[in-house]
Amino acid sequence: DTAVSQTPKYLVTQMGNDKSIKCEQNLGHDTMYWYKQDSKKFLKIMFSYNNKELIINETVPNRFSPKSPDKAHLNLHINSLELGDSAVYFCASGGQGKGSAQYFGPGTRLLVL
Amino acid sequence: AQKVTQAQTEISVVEKEDVTLDCVYETRDTTYYLFWYKQPPSGELVFLIRRNSFDEQNEISGRYSWNFQKSTSSFNFTITASQVVDSAVYFCALSEAGGNYGQNFVFGPGTRLSVLP
Repeated sequence: DTAVSQTPKYLVTQMGNDKSIKCEQNLGHDTMYWYKQDSKKFLKIMFSYNNKELIINETVPNRFSPKSPDKAHLNLHINSLELGDSAVYFCASGGQGKGSAQYFGPGTRLLVL
Repeated sequence: AQKVTQAQTEISVVEKEDVTLDCVYETRDTTYYLFWYKQPPSGELVFLIRRNSFDEQNEISGRYSWNFQKSTSSFNFTITASQVVDSAVYFCALSEAGGNYGQNFVFGPGTRLSVLP
């Protein structure tokens, strides 16, 4: 059973389109995250949700909107896609306790043409 | 502000050599947590180890060992008798304990390790 899953694995789309990436975790964690990994492999946190509530919101364009229907799911919607949005997006989940490790999904490779 | 430096961008070794990946961190907190993750060519991020700031004991897990030294703000990772399957990008990460929920991880830039047969 996959602990943290993301769909789709690959996403190729045109500039200006709107797209969504879905994430689900079956680890029973209360906290979920979205990260962006750029072409140089830099990993940067975008959002964090705890039990459906937004906790961390880094400086991310408001074209990116996370949505958490329940604590096992955290989806990422991206409006008006731009070339610079091309990256690998990782979903992660972690326990609520301080210092909890985060467990990552397989990543979604987004390519904007 | 928290920061993680991995000065080695890329390392190449021949199989069976030992290799150490360096990680230096900056934080103003007295309570913090350090992590190592592995990203093999397949792309997933695999959690390897977590260490809190109060536990300076070194840890060994099979061919992997970690050396945490608060005096030099370092958390280095050594692979003994490296194997081709160890080829990956390795990330060091720091999390401060300030928030009640969620862990704001700051990742280092990663070190790409290539183990040649």
